Amino acid sequence: GAVVSQHPSRVICKSGTSVKIECRSLDFQATTMFWYRQFPKQSLMLMATSNEGSKATYEQGVEKDKFLINHASLTLSTLTVTSAHPEDSSFYICSASVLEYEQYFGPGTRLTVT
Amino acid sequence: GQNIDQPTEMTATEGAIVQINCTYQTSGFNGLFWYQQHAGEAPTFLSYNVLDGLEEKGRFSSFLSRSKGYSYLLLKELQMKDSASYLCAATDSNYQLIWGAGTKLIIKP
Repeated sequence: GAVVSQHPSRVICKSGTSVKIECRSLDFQATTMFWYRQFPKQSLMLMATSNEGSKATYEQGVEKDKFLINHASLTLSTLTVTSAHPEDSSFYICSASVLEYEQYFGPGTRLTVT
Repeated sequence: GQNIDQPTEMTATEGAIVQINCTYQTSGFNGLFWYQQHAGEAPTFLSYNVLDGLEEKGRFSSFLSRSKGYSYLLLKELQMKDSASYLCAATDSNYQLIWGAGTKLIIKP
């Protein structure tokens, strides 16, 4: 149980285009979903927290107009990187939680912006 | 401020035991997680400690001392597949995860 999927697993896009990443909880309803970014050899950096049906809460320094988060249902959240630039290349990981103290991670999406 | 400290890198021998330490300072504290992360993959859950003491799960054990702001992850009978980064994360009073930078564990034959 508690499986979280992400799609796509890898994406390469050109600078200036937008990319959408989906995060789904497959066998449970997630009250909250989290989006993280991880640069090579660094720890996870929380970008935003989203609850179904409400606006996401962004961490300081994360541009909400650049990283659009939609949490349309209890099983789906999407992250759209708009007008992507090479510095946005990173490993994006989502997680979903049912209870406050536990998070289940998706497999991650490797984004490369050329 | 909130802070998690853990060693950057450790090396151990296959079949041996290794202990990875983690100290934390958070605004309130609700519990401490350990995650394993292989290169290029997302973290996977190892343990969650709320109360003081040692919790054992097969080859892996995790210890917590709330009064000292200290935890460790103990890995026994090391296998080559245990080579990974081990992330310590504490939950603050709002249950927000505060992440350590991770400890890269290198296992040598």
